[in-house]
Amino acid sequence: GENVEQHPSTLSVQEGDSAVIKCTYSDSASNYFPWYKQELGKGPQLIIDIRSNVGEKKDQRIAVTLNKTAKHFSLHITETQPEDSAVYFCAGKLSFGAGTTVTVRA
Amino acid sequence: DTGVSQNPRHKITKRGQNVTFRCDPISEHNRLYWYRQTLGQGPEFLTYFQNEAQLEKSRLLSDRFSAERPKGSFSTLEIQRTEQGDSAMYLCASSPQPGTGGNEKLFFGSGTQLSVL
Repeated sequence: GENVEQHPSTLSVQEGDSAVIKCTYSDSASNYFPWYKQELGKGPQLIIDIRSNVGEKKDQRIAVTLNKTAKHFSLHITETQPEDSAVYFCAGKLSFGAGTTVTVRA
Repeated sequence: DTGVSQNPRHKITKRGQNVTFRCDPISEHNRLYWYRQTLGQGPEFLTYFQNEAQLEKSRLLSDRFSAERPKGSFSTLEIQRTEQGDSAMYLCASSPQPGTGGNEKLFFGSGTQLSVL
């Protein structure tokens, strides 16, 4: 699979603040960029994705931005809430990043 | 519930035993994937099927591992002569889209947690 790396590995934010996670990928031919959320005891769930023909996509409080020149894409969560606490993964072709553990402090 | 179903949810076995896991994908999803996940890591790709054809296998998949999808519906993953290093969560995912394998939305099951004693 493609090599994908995400940063940071852990992120603690105050409730109501924003969180940003960045993912870099290696294959310049990549055309699909998803983010998954995994809660304890469950499988990953797709929360947002983007294809290479657009630079940004929003869905309520979450957004994904893509920079194909720099080969990275980012997940943005605004107005964070306690239920946003989870592990988030970016994915490339057949591969996943190592995950970012997000903790939202009340 | 029409999501991806995996059984059993938990499996405890002794080293050297064989184990088999089952995955029932979302109905009519033609792609089925197996991943392995250890604590604190992202899912690692093992193999995937397009209908009944196994199209790609990871180098991680040793000869002790075998996967089948005989009728293009449910799939089984068998591990022979289990080792302690096989302890992990085994995740199954399915996808309805006919695009290039690995470049589409994946719908995951809740996984089978394997513990090898």
